[in-house]
Amino acid sequence: DAGVIQSPRHEVTEMGQEVTLRCKPISGHNSLFWYRQTMMRGLELLIYFNNNVPIDDSGMPEDRFSAKMPNASFSTLKIQPSEPRDSAVYFCASSPGRSTNGYTFGSGTRLTVV
Amino acid sequence: QQQVKQSPQSLIVQKGGISIINCAYENTAFDYFPWYQQFPGKGPALLIAIRPDVSEKKEGRFTISFNKSAKQFSLHIMDSQPGDSATYFCAASIGTDSWGKFQFGAGTQVVVTP
Repeated sequence: DAGVIQSPRHEVTEMGQEVTLRCKPISGHNSLFWYRQTMMRGLELLIYFNNNVPIDDSGMPEDRFSAKMPNASFSTLKIQPSEPRDSAVYFCASSPGRSTNGYTFGSGTRLTVV
Repeated sequence: QQQVKQSPQSLIVQKGGISIINCAYENTAFDYFPWYQQFPGKGPALLIAIRPDVSEKKEGRFTISFNKSAKQFSLHIMDSQPGDSATYFCAASIGTDSWGKFQFGAGTQVVVTP
């Protein structure tokens, strides 16, 4: 099992550019979560999906952020336009269902907006 | 507003010593309390977890102590090793029907000196 796969591992972009982060959950996991980690705010849940349907996006900071899950094996988090304050490590996690058992994080994407 | 408060922010302990990290919560509906371990450049990984029907859970050198009346729980790392140097996060969620929606503490950076 390759675990939760995120790409890219690092992204540096200029302010105003569109950024797309990608996630492949563990096969068979039907819940997927996007987190943001910063020194100031720690780990924040942005949005989560169950069976490809967004369940709760109340953590998405503003309309510049959007997430999609077109199928069970792929999700994207998009920031458009990006701002320096979006610089953070973005994690994707997946789990087998509504239970917390088997909850697994990816290795993250470090985003730097200059 | 952080629903799970974690302390200390950082900790330095000598090899062989005991590391103790404390967390406190307010929401009495929380009933699943995991601890995550994160190494630099990696995503958090589940270390050990407890439910409030027990007061202590031990796995190897790692022990969770849980005090339901005080709404506090702690992680003890016995015989700390340099390989335990990492950031540790406590978390809390509501039941198995929680969609994996955790509230995370701010994290504790543990450094174990040789």
